Amino acid sequence: DGGITQSPKYLFRKEGQNVTLSCEQNLNHDAMYWYRQDPGQGLRLIYYSQIVNDFQKGDIAEGYSVSREKKESFPLTVTSAQKNPTAFYLCASKYTGGLDEQFFGPGTRLTVL
Amino acid sequence: KQEVTQIPAALSVPEGENLVLNCSFTDSAIYNLQWFRQDPGKGLTSLLLIQSSQREQTSGRLNASLDKSSGRSTLYIAASQPGDSATYLCAVKLGSARQLTFGSGTQLTVLP
Repeated sequence: DGGITQSPKYLFRKEGQNVTLSCEQNLNHDAMYWYRQDPGQGLRLIYYSQIVNDFQKGDIAEGYSVSREKKESFPLTVTSAQKNPTAFYLCASKYTGGLDEQFFGPGTRLTVL
Repeated sequence: KQEVTQIPAALSVPEGENLVLNCSFTDSAIYNLQWFRQDPGKGLTSLLLIQSSQREQTSGRLNASLDKSSGRSTLYIAASQPGDSATYLCAVKLGSARQLTFGSGTQLTVLP
């Protein structure tokens, strides 16, 4: 089965802790993205990566970090510097050419206790 | 900066009705526009992608249109069913951008 997987589905964090959200794709897509979704709002871009070992900040990168060591994987770390991390986090990927259509994973819901 | 608006925020219709969801954007220099469906607590499912050179795209009971000059797109759902109940989001990509700009969505409820 081809697709995008995110883990865990639910994540609870204590204040002051760093946590890492996993995103893996087996679609052979070049580009990968992390979005944040808050209730009643659209998605906002945190970070994106067009190729391995390269990534760019999106609109709300403060308090987050990423790495892209493999084409298939794009983990997101939510650091203690992120003041309001409780949200639904979505990972997406696409080919850099072709139809330019983004495909999404099932999401991770992060709650700060 | 590109802004994307979806009105209304919520819509309820009886089963079988044809309906239209609206999406407007401020910058007409778009590269493409994508419509997504999101079920509660789930990720996004891509429904239709319209390139800037196209006027519409169809998939089954869904038809999406694009009018760049007026900054509008519509998603037409024919013969709605309770299973169509979800939040529908549109997203726009500018020609110069690497990213999508999302609207806040329309929450659709189809009543049996």
